[in-house]
Amino acid sequence: QVQFVQSGAEMKKPGATVTVSCRASGYSFTRYAIQWVRQAPGQGLEWMAWFNPGNGNTKFSQIFEGRVSFTRDTSASTVYMSLSNLRSEDTATYYCARKVADRFDYWGPGTLVTVSS
Amino acid sequence: SYVLTQPPSVSVAPGQTARVTCGGNNVGAESVHWYQQTPGQAPVMVVYDDSDRPSGIPERFSGSKSGNTATLTITRVEAADEADYYCQLWDSSSGHYVFGTGTKVTVL
Repeated sequence: QVQFVQSGAEMKKPGATVTVSCRASGYSFTRYAIQWVRQAPGQGLEWMAWFNPGNGNTKFSQIFEGRVSFTRDTSASTVYMSLSNLRSEDTATYYCARKVADRFDYWGPGTLVTVSS
Repeated sequence: SYVLTQPPSVSVAPGQTARVTCGGNNVGAESVHWYQQTPGQAPVMVVYDDSDRPSGIPERFSGSKSGNTATLTITRVEAADEADYYCQLWDSSSGHYVFGTGTKVTVL
C-alpha cells in the first residue's frame, strides 16, 4: 500500500532553513510527483509546490517561489523539501502527498515546524 | 489569487444529510476534489473528479457540481464524520493548486 514517512518535528529560529524529508513506499517512486501542502495552527490547507522525482521538474506557488527547494534520493525513495529564510508565519504542519493527475491521493502524516526566537 | 469559498461550518444531526458547498469562478471548468481532515490527522481524499469515490470511502459520501458550485453530500451522517472538509482544484490558468477555505462539519 502507498505510504509516506516524514521526518520529525523541527524548531527553528527566524532566518534559518528547515529541511523536511518524505519517504515513499508502495509504488514506483519516480512515476508520480510529490506535492507539498502546509497548514498553520488552526488554519486551512495551503498548497506550496510539487516536485517530480523522476525528472526533477517543479512548480511553485508564487508565495514560496525563491524560498523553497527540493532534492531527492531515488535509491531511498525520498524527497527533501527545504524552506529558507524562515519567519514566524512559517510555523505550520508540512505535508507531502502523492500527485495523481490534479489531485492528492495519499498523504504523509505531516511534520510540525515551529519558528521562534 | 484564485479563491474557493466554502461555508465555515455546517451542523447536522446524526442520520441526516450534510451538504458542503464550494464556489469559485473556475469550478465549472475544472475537476473538483474533496478531502476530510479529522483533528490531528492528515487529510484523506473522499471524492475526486467531482463525483468519483476512492476505494474504501463509504457510499454515503458523494459529490456533484452545478455551474460554478461543487457540493459534497454526506448522507446518514455519523459521529465519525465530524471533521473539516476541503475542496480543491487545479487552476489551469496559473498552473497552481487551490484549496477551499474549509468547512467544519459538526454532528449534533
